Amino acid sequence: QSVLTQPPSVAGAPGQRITISCTGSSSNLGAGFDVHWYQQFPGVAPKLLIYGNTNRPSGVPDRFSGSKSGTSASLAITGLQAEDEADYYCQTYDSSLRGYVFGTGTKVTV
Amino acid sequence: QVTLKESGPTLVRPTQTLTLTCTFSGFSLTTRGVGVGWIRQAPGKAPEWLALIYWDNDKRYNPFLKDRLTIAKDTSKNQVVLTMTNLDLVDTATYFCARRSVVVGATDWFDPWGQGILVTVSS
Repeated sequence: QSVLTQPPSVAGAPGQRITISCTGSSSNLGAGFDVHWYQQFPGVAPKLLIYGNTNRPSGVPDRFSGSKSGTSASLAITGLQAEDEADYYCQTYDSSLRGYVFGTGTKVTV
Repeated sequence: QVTLKESGPTLVRPTQTLTLTCTFSGFSLTTRGVGVGWIRQAPGKAPEWLALIYWDNDKRYNPFLKDRLTIAKDTSKNQVVLTMTNLDLVDTATYFCARRSVVVGATDWFDPWGQGILVTVSS
C-alpha cells in the first residue's frame, strides 16, 4: 500500500554525509503536501525528526536536514554518528487515497 | 508535557474484535485543531496510518480498512478508542496512538507517539 518509496538501506562511515530519498507521486508530494521524517530505534515508537519539509523540532541536532522538490524529498545527515543507526521513515498525505501515508523505510548503518 | 499511552489486549483470536484505548495528557481534544490518530506497524514493516479523530468529532479512516475501523473519543476521560473488527493474522502489529500536530496551511504530522502496544492475532 505504501506510495512513498525509500531505499531499503543506506550506509556511511562516521563523519560522512548521507542522504535518504523519498519518492512519491502527483497525488502526494507532487500535489504540494509537506513531507515529514521520523527516526525509529528498535523496540520504540517513531520520533519526529523533520516536519514541514525542512523544520527541526526542538532538540533535534542540526546535523539532520530535510528538503523537498516536486515528487521527491530527501533527508540528509551530516557528520554521521554511531547513534544515528536507526530506521527512518518519510510521511505525507495522499489525495487519491485520502489518507496519511508513510514511506517504505530506510535502515541507516554507520 | 504531552504524553499518550495505549492499552488493550495483547492477544486476540482470529475473527474477534479488537478494542484499544489511548489515554493522553497534556492537551485537550476539545481544543480547536487538535486530533489523535492511530498508526500500526507490523513486525519489520513501515508504519501504516489507520484512523484520526478531530476535536470537532470529524473522523478519517484508512480507505483500505475503513469498513473494519471505528474511532471515538471521550473528552471527559482524555481517551480515544479504536475498534477493529474481524481480526486476521495479518493484523498482528504494534499499535500506536499519536497526537496530530498541525500548522495552518501545512500537512499533518504525528507527534508525539505513545509507546505502542503489541497485539498478536493467533488462534
